[in-house]
Amino acid sequence: DAKTTQPPSMDCAEGRAANLPCNHSTISGNEYVYWYRQIHSQGPQYIIHGLKNNETNEMASLIITEDRKSSTLILPHATLRDTAVYYCIVPRGTGNQFYFGTGTSLTVIP
Amino acid sequence: DSGVTQTPKHLITATGQRVTLRCSPRSGDLSVYWYQQSLDQGLQFLIQYYNGEERAKGNILERFSAQQFPDLHSELNLSSLELGDSALYFCASSADYSSYNEQFFGPGTRLTVL
Repeated sequence: DAKTTQPPSMDCAEGRAANLPCNHSTISGNEYVYWYRQIHSQGPQYIIHGLKNNETNEMASLIITEDRKSSTLILPHATLRDTAVYYCIVPRGTGNQFYFGTGTSLTVIP
Repeated sequence: DSGVTQTPKHLITATGQRVTLRCSPRSGDLSVYWYQQSLDQGLQFLIQYYNGEERAKGNILERFSAQQFPDLHSELNLSSLELGDSALYFCASSADYSSYNEQFFGPGTRLTVL
């Protein structure tokens, strides 16, 4: 079962790109990497997920290394509303349920 | 708006009591997950149902139980409540239980046990 490691906190200047790293060195070949964020005590919000290829959507880009042992979530132009806790998750178990770590607390600074 | 609804939003009760939390998944989703978020434990997976059947179990206490009904809504029952059960309870839904389908989370129910 893959586990993830993220830095506990990061700062980013408003308007700049925020790059959030995640290590998942024990990931297996068919396991996806998911990114969610949680703003205050709201429900976690889905951002993006991927298996091997880099992915992009309207919210963010996900870069997965070729060996799949790590990934980076990129918020291209961070705004104050992107201040949140960001979770990198590799689903596991019979239901592909999520086991959340402590995530990265991102603070976007004006 | 994720499309997942949870009721009630807030619940205040006393120790020893029993409460029921309700979750309606997104239209078409067959899988429902329950998570608990407390200050000291973070977000923890409790239990998952798929199309009415229990699929996976996490750190769910024996005092807690859940079920998923034929219309696919789910209820989480918490009994003999203790102070430590005070937490945010989230449900999430997914099309199925495959790893390539994302989970969508509801807004949560905040439970306060006094």
